[in-house]
Amino acid sequence: DAGVIQSPRHEVTEMGQEVTLRCKPISGHNSLFWYRQTMMRGLELLIYFNNNVPIDDSGMPEDRFSAKMPNASFSTLKIQPSEPRDSAVYFCASSRSGQADYEQYFGPGTRLTVT
Amino acid sequence: AQTVTQSQPEMSVQEAETVTLSCTYDTSESDYYLFWYKQPPSRQMILVIRQEAYKQQNATENRFSVNFQKAAKSFSLKISDSQLGDAAMYFCAYRSWVDDMRFGAGTRLTVKP
Repeated sequence: DAGVIQSPRHEVTEMGQEVTLRCKPISGHNSLFWYRQTMMRGLELLIYFNNNVPIDDSGMPEDRFSAKMPNASFSTLKIQPSEPRDSAVYFCASSRSGQADYEQYFGPGTRLTVT
Repeated sequence: AQTVTQSQPEMSVQEAETVTLSCTYDTSESDYYLFWYKQPPSRQMILVIRQEAYKQQNATENRFSVNFQKAAKSFSLKISDSQLGDAAMYFCAYRSWVDDMRFGAGTRLTVKP
């Protein structure tokens, strides 16, 4: 089992550019979560999907952020346009169930730096 | 390979009693940080407690304390006087200067009235 796969592992971009983060959940998991970790705000849930459908996107900071899950094995988190305050580590996690009390398996994270 | 292991998928405790959640980790670093996060049904992550590896004294935050055993690479969370509001998923996490955060898979804590 390869675990949750995220790419890229590191991304450095200039302000105003579009950034796309990618996640491949564990096969057979039907829930996927995107988190953002910053020094100021700690670890925040941005959005989660159940069976490819966004269930709760209330954590998405603003319209510049969008997430998609076109199929059960792939999700993207896009920031357009990017800003320096978006610099953070973005984690993807997957779970067998959308219920809040199931184990989540985290990916290694993508470290985003916006200059 | 899993860096952080939580061997208890589920735990249950009676209200007002004490419960201990286990966590082990694997690292070759000597300087690192360990965390326990709580995720209630709202799904937002709440930092419960953190421990710096260079500190020998176990961290405490009110009813929450840790038993940090550096040689054994063990970092357990003790919740005293458990309350109904403590029911949640608890995630153990590790971070070093060379590694981004790594999480365990979580332990579901149920508190019985």
